[in-house]
Amino acid sequence: GESVGLHLPTLSVQEGDNSIINCAYSNSASDYFIWYKQESGKGPQFIIDIRSNMDKRQGQRVTVLLNKTVKHLSLQIAATQPGDSAVYFCAENSGGGFKTIFGAGTRLFVKA
Amino acid sequence: EAQVTQNPRYLITVTGKKLTVTCSQNMNHEYMSWYRQDPGLGLRQIYYSMNVEVTDKGDVPEGYKVSRKEKRNFPLILESPSPNQTSLYFCASSFGQAAYEQYFGPGTRLTVT
Repeated sequence: GESVGLHLPTLSVQEGDNSIINCAYSNSASDYFIWYKQESGKGPQFIIDIRSNMDKRQGQRVTVLLNKTVKHLSLQIAATQPGDSAVYFCAENSGGGFKTIFGAGTRLFVKA
Repeated sequence: EAQVTQNPRYLITVTGKKLTVTCSQNMNHEYMSWYRQDPGLGLRQIYYSMNVEVTDKGDVPEGYKVSRKEKRNFPLILESPSPNQTSLYFCASSFGQAAYEQYFGPGTRLTVT
């Protein structure tokens, strides 16, 4: 597959455990914060978003937390599965939703 | 099937030879965008388009051109490619009211020698 990042932070978890992926963002004026998942050889896939006026949002097996005080975003994946192995990107969105800045990404390994 | 398609998927070319990477979406999305992905740098936005005939620069527009003459298509043009444009390119689209929820194409691996 394609190499999407040679020096990415890496998180290794046991199957069934919970995963927490962290991200620091830079723009206090961002309207939305988004998490994407990128599997080897594929384009990024939208996971979940959170609006800047919220501090928590839950999806299916995922929760995103936003701490605007310290400009920190996290993605929690419950009961991590082998299919969750991928690179995860946080992104911040501004300018009415049209300008997007991606973080460098975190590679998640799930051990069976 | 709802999708974003890119062509070609792989391209090797030489410095200075003009090329176009096509992007098409079948979801009637207003918003489309181009990104490049380089190791350790994540995805960086090149250009985006809010609708037909409306485009704007992203963070790394130098050396690229785009056009949006039809809603479904958003080609990326490299008039005079250089080796520093060797990269993995992604096209994305979304509805204007949820522009942050982008659907990405499969990527185009470009090598400029």
